[in-house]
Amino acid sequence: EPEVTQTPSHQVTQMGQEVILRCVPISNHLYFYWYRQILGQKVEFLVSFYNNEISEKSEIFDDQFSVERPDGSNFTLKIRSTKLEDSAMYFCASSEPTGEKKLFFGSGTQLSVL
Amino acid sequence: AQRVTQPEKLLSVFKGAPVELKCNYSYSGSPELFWYVQYSRQRLQLLLRHISRESIKGFTADLNKGETSFHLKKPFAQEEDSAMYYCALSGLSWGKLQFGAGTQVVVTP
Repeated sequence: EPEVTQTPSHQVTQMGQEVILRCVPISNHLYFYWYRQILGQKVEFLVSFYNNEISEKSEIFDDQFSVERPDGSNFTLKIRSTKLEDSAMYFCASSEPTGEKKLFFGSGTQLSVL
Repeated sequence: AQRVTQPEKLLSVFKGAPVELKCNYSYSGSPELFWYVQYSRQRLQLLLRHISRESIKGFTADLNKGETSFHLKKPFAQEEDSAMYYCALSGLSWGKLQFGAGTQVVVTP
């Protein structure tokens, strides 16, 4: 079965540094998402992306966050100036353009901000 | 505001015993409810959608609008059911899921 791929699986960075989390969604999917889960907390929606633009974003997704689909396969989440509280597991997901409303999740990138 | 509540952080059951994971929600419109499961060291994956009204791996879930609940049930738990289970709600914005805190299920032999 096709899978959503995320790289790296772990990322350690210093506070204030920029990080880019990478995702390769399933090839025929057109809707893309980022979620995150801070340790011990709920999985939270960050942003949805369709047709090369943001469809919806949460309050968490402030100006330090951005998303991009730089080519036909990758979907990236950039955090410009990381804070300690950005430490979390970040999940990418994608879904099909029609039919069953099913999100396919990647295995996540654990981001640690020191 | 939409909210999903899973009151149990941990459920420990014996193999062969029934298991029920509780999920309550608050939403002003007509939500879509889902159960996602995360097995150890694996990714989040969809288990059930309320619209499908199907049984997956022996699990069923019925949407009760009167009680605003979407409890997940299985009559006979198996060891391979040990996992983290998340109830999730989708409102008007498809793909924007509101997750509950999750319930860790441990099935012991």
